[in-house]
Amino acid sequence: GENVEQHPSTLSVQEGDSAVIKCTYSDSASNYFPWYKQELGKRPQLIIDIRSNVGEKKDQRIAVTLNKTAKHFSLHITETQPEDSAVYFCAASPQGDTGRRALTFGSGTRLQVQP
Amino acid sequence: DGGITQSPKYLFRKEGQNVTLSCEQNLNHDAMYWYRQDPGQGLRLIYYSQIVNDFQKGDIAEGYSVSREKKESFPLTVTSAQKNPTAFYLCASSRATGMRLNYGYTFGSGTRLTVV
Repeated sequence: GENVEQHPSTLSVQEGDSAVIKCTYSDSASNYFPWYKQELGKRPQLIIDIRSNVGEKKDQRIAVTLNKTAKHFSLHITETQPEDSAVYFCAASPQGDTGRRALTFGSGTRLQVQP
Repeated sequence: DGGITQSPKYLFRKEGQNVTLSCEQNLNHDAMYWYRQDPGQGLRLIYYSQIVNDFQKGDIAEGYSVSREKKESFPLTVTSAQKNPTAFYLCASSRATGMRLNYGYTFGSGTRLTVV
């Protein structure tokens, strides 16, 4: 089955700096990669996702890159703000008629943005 | 509450008891999922269902059971066979996962289960 590893487990940055979170996956059949943000005591919220037919996707201060050959994808947050402080999860899922049709999540990264 | 409702928010279970966590969605989503969240371990898949009357085990299904009698509802029962049930349980739903596309989840607000 799929295995997703996420690094780092904690990340502290100064306000205005960039933050990068990296994930690797094991199943070459995976080709859908979402990222979720979970604020303390709240439910995870989808912030961006990417499918394998593109290498990069941006949405304002957030971007995700995907390298299918190396089986890794990354979340980039620019100009970080205190409200970006949260736990971020990456996930992967295969598409098609084989394999599990459910997301496998990484272990999470706790991002703290220092004012 | 975002179209997917979990209840109760907090639940206490005595040793040897079965308890059922409720998950209801009004998003007309076909697929529903249950995950367990423990500190530092991310979200682990318990069970999932793609259509009514069908469900599959995830990575940690032992000690849990589910049913999917209605499209809107996917209750999770934590049985006495689950030896370490204290955790935060998240239900999610998504549009049908067809052969070519997959869609992001909408999560419920979670149920925190504690063994007393």
